[in-house]
Amino acid sequence: KAGVTQTPRYLIKTRGQQVTLSCSPISGHRSVSWYQQTPGQGLQFLFEYFSETQRNKGNFPGRFSGRQFSNSRSEMNVSTLELGDSALYLCASSSQGYTQYFGPGTRLTVL
Amino acid sequence: AQTVTQSQPEMSVQEAETVTLSCTYDTSENNYYLFWYKQPPSRQMILVIRQEAYKQQNATENRFSVNFQKAAKSFSLKISDSQLGDTAMYFCAFHITQGGSEKLVFGKGTKLTVNP
Repeated sequence: KAGVTQTPRYLIKTRGQQVTLSCSPISGHRSVSWYQQTPGQGLQFLFEYFSETQRNKGNFPGRFSGRQFSNSRSEMNVSTLELGDSALYLCASSSQGYTQYFGPGTRLTVL
Repeated sequence: AQTVTQSQPEMSVQEAETVTLSCTYDTSENNYYLFWYKQPPSRQMILVIRQEAYKQQNATENRFSVNFQKAAKSFSLKISDSQLGDTAMYFCAFHITQGGSEKLVFGKGTKLTVNP
């Protein structure tokens, strides 16, 4: 099976702009989770989607949002970008076996 | 709240030697899952090994094995016959299920360098 894919791999934006990141899970996986990784805060949970429903959200401001489509592909959106949003954004998918498999990540730089 | 602590920010080992990375966690749950992930410089997060808390037998995957001490809430990773390709950040993670949802809580990571 193909692994988790994320697009784009690299992104440069300026403050105040918005950005959309995409994640395609492993075929058959219905759960998609997003994580933010920064040197200072480490890996932090953003949100989890299952069958197009957000089941859980981490402690992030409302500028961070996401959605999941009927084919389990997921997108996350960050509006009104701030410098502190610069990070590696990781997507992971899982079936009901608890093991999450990660994509290569999207490196977002906010200038 | 569940927390994961990795007390060794950095470690180094000579090629072919054995190294053990430490991880402790805190939870009031009885059934849970623990993971070790590896993140090489390419930044791809790769699953190394997984342990179900209800299993007393320690998990092994080729050169990787864990020492799972449930009462002590300890979950260390042993890498045998270290290879240059093992150089990476290693993250210990605890799987949480909340009202049907799931997420991983990660430790801060241990940077492992394998020297030739």
